[in-house]
Amino acid sequence: GNSVTQMEGPVTLSEEAFLTINCTYTATGYPSLFWYVQYPGEGLQLLLKATKADDKGSNKGFEATYRKETTSFHLEKGSVQVSDSAVYFCALSPYTGTASKLTFGTGTRLQVTL
Amino acid sequence: DGGITQSPKYLFRKEGQNVTLSCEQNLNHDAMYWYRQDPGQGLRLIYYSQIVNDFQKGDIAEGYSVSREKKESFPLTVTSAQKNPTAFYLCASTQGTAGANVLTFGAGSRLTVL
Repeated sequence: GNSVTQMEGPVTLSEEAFLTINCTYTATGYPSLFWYVQYPGEGLQLLLKATKADDKGSNKGFEATYRKETTSFHLEKGSVQVSDSAVYFCALSPYTGTASKLTFGTGTRLQVTL
Repeated sequence: DGGITQSPKYLFRKEGQNVTLSCEQNLNHDAMYWYRQDPGQGLRLIYYSQIVNDFQKGDIAEGYSVSREKKESFPLTVTSAQKNPTAFYLCASTQGTAGANVLTFGAGSRLTVL
C-alpha cells in the first residue's frame, strides 16, 4: 500500500535559519505529492504540490522537489520566520483517476523562535 | 467567500451517545471527505463521497456513518460503537475526483468523550 514517512518533530529553529523537513514515500505508479500546513486550532491548507517527477513546487518561500529516484519530497525554506510555526504534513495521492484519497504522513511540528 | 464550514467547533459527549458533526461547503465541489486527526498519527480517512447519494468507506469507517443528500452537505455521525471517539475531525472537499486535485479543509471539530 501507499505510505508517507516524515521526520519526527518538533523541529526548533531560530528565526532566519534554514529549514529542511524530510519526507519519503512508498507508492505504486506515479503519485502526486503535497505539503499541507496546519496552524494552531485550524484545518490544513495546501502549501505546495508536484504532480510528476522532477517538478518543483513552491509557495511563500517554501520549496520541494519531486525526486522519483529517491522517492522523496523534502520541504525547504531558506529563512524561516516566527509566523512559519505550524505543523507540516507531507501527503501523496495516487494518480488513479479516482477520488483524491490522500495518504498523510504523521506531521512535523516546527517551532521558530526569535 | 467560499469555503467549508464545520460545526460545532467543540463538542462534548457522554459515553453511549451518538453525535453528528456538520460539514457544509459553498465551493460547488463534487467530492467531500472526513478525516480523523490524532496526536502523532497524522490524518486518517473515515468516509468520502464523490457524488450525491453515494459514499465509500475509508480506512477507519467502523463506528461512523455519513450521508450525502445534498452536494453541499456531508454530515458525520459518531456512533456509540466507536470505541475511542475523542479526536479532531476534519472535513474536506475537492473540485473533481482525480488524484491531483487539491483538498480544501474546514477548520475542524474537536470531539471529547467525557
